[in-house]
Amino acid sequence: EVQLVESGGGLVQPGESLRLSCAASGFTFSDYGMVWVRQAPGKGLEWVSYITSTGRTIYYADSVKGRFTISRDNAKNSLYLQMNSLRDEDTAVFYCARFRSDWSFDYWGQGTLVTVSS
Amino acid sequence: QSALTQPPSASGSPGQSVTISCTGTSSDVGGYDYVSWYQQHPGKAPKLMIYEVYKRPSGVPDRFSGSKSGNTASLTVSGLQAEDEADYYCSSYSGSNNWVFGGGTKLTVL
Repeated sequence: EVQLVESGGGLVQPGESLRLSCAASGFTFSDYGMVWVRQAPGKGLEWVSYITSTGRTIYYADSVKGRFTISRDNAKNSLYLQMNSLRDEDTAVFYCARFRSDWSFDYWGQGTLVTVSS
Repeated sequence: QSALTQPPSASGSPGQSVTISCTGTSSDVGGYDYVSWYQQHPGKAPKLMIYEVYKRPSGVPDRFSGSKSGNTASLTVSGLQAEDEADYYCSSYSGSNNWVFGGGTKLTVL
């Protein structure tokens, strides 16, 4: 059974940093690209970042470019999102999801809440 | 990276059919057959319902169908059931290595 479990969320002040993790199991992690998608409270979904299976190619949404860094450790079956210079508008539930070759996201974690507030 | 446009709400009675639209531009929905749809129940993670415009993942009932015409994609839920009540989001590749979602549609089963 495919499982994705996010962790690392919490309450931080504007300008601070946070690192999210996503532990994958039930599939060959190194075969799949992965993404982070976020959802602000009561709002819709927003794609944040994508990383290929090898980690060699990475893309970011303009809203986080230069502040967030996606990475992965295939030996540990783990995906990460380093978030720096956090802003109030980054407050959201962050989901990791598996990326398919048809460019859809077929398995999602339960999400981890990041709250940025002074 | 503007969000795709979806109606905020849709509704139908059990057994009826409902169609949810998702309007983008020629740079996203109209430019690629990489439209997908997600169902999200309150407090839960999204679930993939449709990919590549009309294809269903294993386990998704055939009551769910997708289509596209020009810059607008559509999700149709036939034979509405109570458990279909949820938020639905469309998504598309939008070029320049970006993906975009719609604002979401709350489907109510009356």
